[in-house]
Amino acid sequence: GAVVSQHPSWVICKSGTSVKIECRSLDFQATTMFWYRQFPKQSLMLMATSNEGSKATYEQGVEKDKFLINHASLTLSTLTVTSAHPEDSSFYICSARTGSSGNTIYFGEGSWLTVV
Amino acid sequence: DAKTTQPTSMDCAEGRAANLPCNHSTISGNEYVYWYRQIHSQGPQYIIHGLKNNETNEMASLIITEDRKSSTLILPHATLRDTAVYYCIVRAPFGNEKLTFGTGTRLTIIP
Repeated sequence: GAVVSQHPSWVICKSGTSVKIECRSLDFQATTMFWYRQFPKQSLMLMATSNEGSKATYEQGVEKDKFLINHASLTLSTLTVTSAHPEDSSFYICSARTGSSGNTIYFGEGSWLTVV
Repeated sequence: DAKTTQPTSMDCAEGRAANLPCNHSTISGNEYVYWYRQIHSQGPQYIIHGLKNNETNEMASLIITEDRKSSTLILPHATLRDTAVYYCIVRAPFGNEKLTFGTGTRLTIIP
C-alpha cells in the first residue's frame, strides 16, 4: 500500500509553546490529507480535512487558530499546535488519500504529543 | 456519526480463522465498505475495501451480503500479531469524503 510518514513520532513540549507535526506522502501525491486526534482508550476523532493549496476545513469544536494546518504541497501537510497545554497531550495521526484504488486513505504512524 | 455497528470485542484462537462482523444497514449505493485495524500505539492500517462483490487480498477476505447491509472480514489464519482493534467504515470514495471511526472490535488472538 501507499506510504504515509509522520514526524516526529513523539515530542514533549513545555506548556505555552508551539509544536509542529509533519505528514508526508512518500510514494504518491495527496491532494487531500486528514488530521485525527486520539485520546487513550478512545477512537480516532477527525480534526480537519486539508486540501493542497487551500484552507483546511475543521470539524465542529476544533479551534482552527489553535491547530494550524498547512498543506502547501501535494506531499506535505503540517499540523501546528499553538500555545500547547497539557490537555492537548494526545496521539495525532494524519492520513492521505490516493487518487487510485478507490481513493483509499492511508495513515501515518502517528505522533505522540506530551505537554508538560 | 459512525454508520456501522460492530461487536465490542472478540477472541480467536491462533491459527484459526477470525470472522469479524459489521452491520451497515443504512449504507448508500455509492458507499464502499472499508476495513482498517489499529495495533496499539500505531496509526490505522488499511486492510481491504469493497463495494458489493467479495474481495480478497494478501491480508484478508471481505464478504458483503447481497443487500449490502452487513459484511464480514475474515482473517484466514490468525496470528498473535493480528491482535488489534478492527474498524469497519462506510465511505463514498470521492474527494474529501472522510473516514469516520466508530469504536471498532477489539480482536484478541489467543495462543
